[in-house]
Amino acid sequence: QKEVEQNSGPLSVPEGAIASLNCTYSDRGSQSFFWYRQYSGKSPELIMSIYSNGDKEDGRFTAQLNKASQYVSLLIRDSQPSDSATYLCAVMKRGGAGSYQLTFGKGTKLSVIP
Amino acid sequence: DAGVTQSPTHLIKTRGQQVTLRCSPKSGHDTVSWYQQALGQGPQFIFQYYEEEERQRGNFPDRFSGHQFPNYSSELNVNALLLGDSALYLCASSPGQGGYEQYFGPGTRLTVT
Repeated sequence: QKEVEQNSGPLSVPEGAIASLNCTYSDRGSQSFFWYRQYSGKSPELIMSIYSNGDKEDGRFTAQLNKASQYVSLLIRDSQPSDSATYLCAVMKRGGAGSYQLTFGKGTKLSVIP
Repeated sequence: DAGVTQSPTHLIKTRGQQVTLRCSPKSGHDTVSWYQQALGQGPQFIFQYYEEEERQRGNFPDRFSGHQFPNYSSELNVNALLLGDSALYLCASSPGQGGYEQYFGPGTRLTVT
């Protein structure tokens, strides 16, 4: 079982619709959860972080965390063509010597159709 | 406020050669992590540096080594390059060793021929 799993897509949604991106993780010791957006040929950009169960909203983005189900999701409301990118789910857990390690999924490619 | 910077942007090397990549963290950040991202994959953790010491290492061979300087900048060295080392190398910085948000630089695209 992979540590962080995402549907690779592509996920296609019409402009103005809600895009729903999902992620599951295997390590129950994971403590922090992040969503990064990566445009083709660019580096990942942090768009959301969530640390406790429930929902966290920031503009058009809502992150949802359910630790019991080991499930994280990202909702993008009123999707725009500029949201077309690969979305990476990342999970942080404590490593050695007080460090924390980020583990990424392979990413879900989102296409927003005008 | 300067973000994370990396150099060079692109690099082409031959098998067996050695390469050094550089990273300067975001202002106020003292922890640097390095990642390798192959095409179509998510970033893979190489190692993390804090207080000039390697604190955590991912599943990478000893050919991959690093260093952190007193000004918190960092280098990634790869020896005896293999074709499979071709990838985007990403540096991320964070404000401390804890479970804080990590911010990525633009990356260095390494091609090994």
